[in-house]
Amino acid sequence: DQQVKQNSPSLSVQEGRISILNCDYTNSMFDYFLWYKKYPAEGPTFLISISSIKDKNEDGRFTVFLNKSAKHLSLHIVPSQPGDSAVYFCAASGSNQFYFGTGTSLTVIP
Amino acid sequence: EPEVTQTPSHQVTQMGQEVILRCVPISNHLYFYWYRQILGQKVEFLVSFYNNEISEKSEIFDDQFSVERPDGSNFTLKIRSTKLEDSAMYFCASKADYTEAFFGQGTRLTVV
Repeated sequence: DQQVKQNSPSLSVQEGRISILNCDYTNSMFDYFLWYKKYPAEGPTFLISISSIKDKNEDGRFTVFLNKSAKHLSLHIVPSQPGDSAVYFCAASGSNQFYFGTGTSLTVIP
Repeated sequence: EPEVTQTPSHQVTQMGQEVILRCVPISNHLYFYWYRQILGQKVEFLVSFYNNEISEKSEIFDDQFSVERPDGSNFTLKIRSTKLEDSAMYFCASKADYTEAFFGQGTRLTVV
């Protein structure tokens, strides 16, 4: 039972353009959403989060949007840089438990 | 900057042997987790631990698995009798109240 889904396993974007990574969830009790970035053979690194009381959170080049009615969140990276190439996991949390999506591998082409 | 540390970084063990994976969470954190990622697959939740007891566990976390916080700083995952399919990266994470979880660098477990 996949409570958090990332339907795009991979994404390629030109350097300088926008990267949009999408995530859907099923449990309306989730109240906190996060994006993690992961390089091979390393642990996930926290990137940005958003509480369910907000619909947007911005941190530098990274913006997360939350659409609660659609149970959908997205991560926008503008402008994309080659160093952004990694696997991005979205996660949803309720009651201090985290549920991860399957990840989207982002490649930023120089 | 505080970080979660895991040891060893790589563990090779024979099938049927016991392994203990060790984690030192961030010192003021209250919630502790183990996740794993089989090569090429998603990050899977194993167990969460709070107030010196398991708060939630997944179907993966069967009787072969146990967790312990023996001395107030370490957080260990024990696999009693390893199977080939236990080969994976195991990640420890910790968090304080109302914050994100911080992950360690992982332990690569290879069961041969």
